[in-house]
Amino acid sequence: DAKTTQPPSMDCAEGRAANLPCNHSTISGNEYVYWYRQIHSQGPQYIIHGLKNNETNEMASLIITEDRKSSTLILPHATLRDTAVYYCIPEQGAGNMLTFGGGTRLMVKP
Amino acid sequence: EAGVAQSPRYKIIEKRQSVAFWCNPISGHATLYWYQQILGQGPKLLIQFQNNGVVDDSQLPKDRFSAERLKGVDSTLKIQPAKLEDSAVYLCASRAPLDNTDTQYFGPGTRLTVL
Repeated sequence: DAKTTQPPSMDCAEGRAANLPCNHSTISGNEYVYWYRQIHSQGPQYIIHGLKNNETNEMASLIITEDRKSSTLILPHATLRDTAVYYCIPEQGAGNMLTFGGGTRLMVKP
Repeated sequence: EAGVAQSPRYKIIEKRQSVAFWCNPISGHATLYWYQQILGQGPKLLIQFQNNGVVDDSQLPKDRFSAERLKGVDSTLKIQPAKLEDSAVYLCASRAPLDNTDTQYFGPGTRLTVL
């Protein structure tokens, strides 16, 4: 199974872009990378996923390096409500299971 | 569309007592998951159901934990007897039937405190 490395915590000023990195150097060629976040006292929430190409939706953008060994989740204009733990999760085979690591605790400050 | 419902939201019991948690997934979602989240850690999968069948329960401590989804809709997770280390948030999630991605929808969780 692919392992991930994320910084344990990051700060971001409100209104600025938040760039959350993730290293997944052991990911296989056909495994997607998923990002979830967990706001305090809530269940995790799906954000975005991608395979090779960069992806964008209403919540965030996902930039995946060409060698697929790392990715960056971008919140273009962070708000206080984006304060949460962000999890980078490589796909685990075909079992449709999520294996959560420690994630990055993002603190958005006024 | 209603989200994943869980009850109770909070539960406090003494060790060696029994406890049960209930989950109602999003309507039509065939796949249901139970996770355990210990404070400061990411959620850990306990069991996965597809309709009323178990797909994976390899991380479920079967000596004290059990789960069922008899009619393929709502599900119950039980702990009997509880230990101090079972204090955690128990999360339920579901996934749409034709969705081959890992997009799961989580409920708010049940926070269990074992004294």
